[in-house]
Amino acid sequence: NAGVTQTPKFQVLKTGQSMTLQCAQDMNHNSMYWYRQDPGMGLRLIYYSASEGTTDKGEVPNGYNVSRLNKREFSLRLESAAPSQTSVYFCATLSTGRGNTIYFGEGSWLTVV
Amino acid sequence: DQQVKQNSPSLSVQEGRISILNCDYTNSMFDYFLWYKKYPAEGPTFLISISSIKDKNEDGRFTVFLNKSAKHLSLHIVPSQPGDSAVYFCAASWEGSNYKLTFGKGTLLTVNP
Repeated sequence: NAGVTQTPKFQVLKTGQSMTLQCAQDMNHNSMYWYRQDPGMGLRLIYYSASEGTTDKGEVPNGYNVSRLNKREFSLRLESAAPSQTSVYFCATLSTGRGNTIYFGEGSWLTVV
Repeated sequence: DQQVKQNSPSLSVQEGRISILNCDYTNSMFDYFLWYKKYPAEGPTFLISISSIKDKNEDGRFTVFLNKSAKHLSLHIVPSQPGDSAVYFCAASWEGSNYKLTFGKGTLLTVNP
């Protein structure tokens, strides 16, 4: 997981509060992704960014916004947190070096009470 | 509509024996498949991938087999080691999707000493 850094690692929010999850990569990759993982579920794509300045919705985008201001950073914002957004969030990047492989960060554990 | 299915939530094997994890998919557009391993409180770690132009790919103790006609792939781990105990996710994508991954729900592998 080296090269993809997520902050914070743990966060507890009250319903209605806002927060931003930060993701930074130092591998010079173009594409970046935000996934969430819930118990008994696989990872589901929230948003992705094919390049700096572009973003697009994934499978479960409702309640989230993203920002890709530069090549390194891709942030995920919850404007008004809901208990249904309690989850583990993973940022990822796409390497096109040896085949096309997505590498994940270590995760951010978010609890909304 | 689950496009990638891992029908076995868990699998238990003895150390030294073979572990076989299975994955089925329904979307004919998928042409690239990956396996990830995930330990608790960590991000998914890439293990091995296979393109639809191949039917087998090996990397050390890990081999992935792809049967396109059956829309089925499997991961073989030989020999299994206690350190292999983790959740294994199958994922699929296609080139035109910007490599957005669709994940199965995962299989918990336990390798007993």
